Amino acid sequence: SQKIEQNSEALNIQEGKTATLTCNYTNYSPAYLQWYRQDPGRGPVFLLLIRENEKEKRKERLKVTFDTTLKQSLFHITASQPADSATYLCALDPWGGGNKLTFGTGTQLKVEL
Amino acid sequence: DAGVIQSPRHEVTEMGQEVTLRCKPISGHDYLFWYRQTMMRGLELLIYFNNNVPIDDSGMPEDRFSAKMPNASFSTLKIQPSEPRDSAVYFCASSLRLQGAAEAFFGQGTRLTVV
Repeated sequence: SQKIEQNSEALNIQEGKTATLTCNYTNYSPAYLQWYRQDPGRGPVFLLLIRENEKEKRKERLKVTFDTTLKQSLFHITASQPADSATYLCALDPWGGGNKLTFGTGTQLKVEL
Repeated sequence: DAGVIQSPRHEVTEMGQEVTLRCKPISGHDYLFWYRQTMMRGLELLIYFNNNVPIDDSGMPEDRFSAKMPNASFSTLKIQPSEPRDSAVYFCASSLRLQGAAEAFFGQGTRLTVV
């Protein structure tokens, strides 16, 4: 069956360090992969999208990689700040167009002073 | 645009009662999605519409759940009768499909508690 796995345990890091979150998937061949941020009591907010033929995408302090051979995406936040503390969700889009986004369960990130 | 608007934000109801959740998507968006989020199962897609037409409702858990989109600016998700296991946060999202990818814009969610 199709499965998307993100670290269920919270990730605690120190301010200024780079946070790296992992998204692994099985039995998918996604055309796109998206990352969202979710704060408590709020809906997910889109951060980045990467296509299957792209290896890496950057946006300010964020970087996403997409390895279709390993079936894995890594999400990096450099120079992390306490304001980056949130739950981060990866979502697979099998055909493009965002029609059937399937989400992982998310990884909670806490950036400590 | 004010974003995706959902109402109510919180709903507490007794088992067996009918519950209606409402959503106003972002103007001009042609896709609308209903998701349910729980600790155990994460964010699950229930149903989505394209240009007001239901395309895929395979995620709707039971016949007790129904969704409508009478026009481009309004959608409802109804649960009748409600059960305690329906307790969750329900999100509505909308998107505009361009050539290829489309990010989803989520509302604030409706936290449903069935007692």
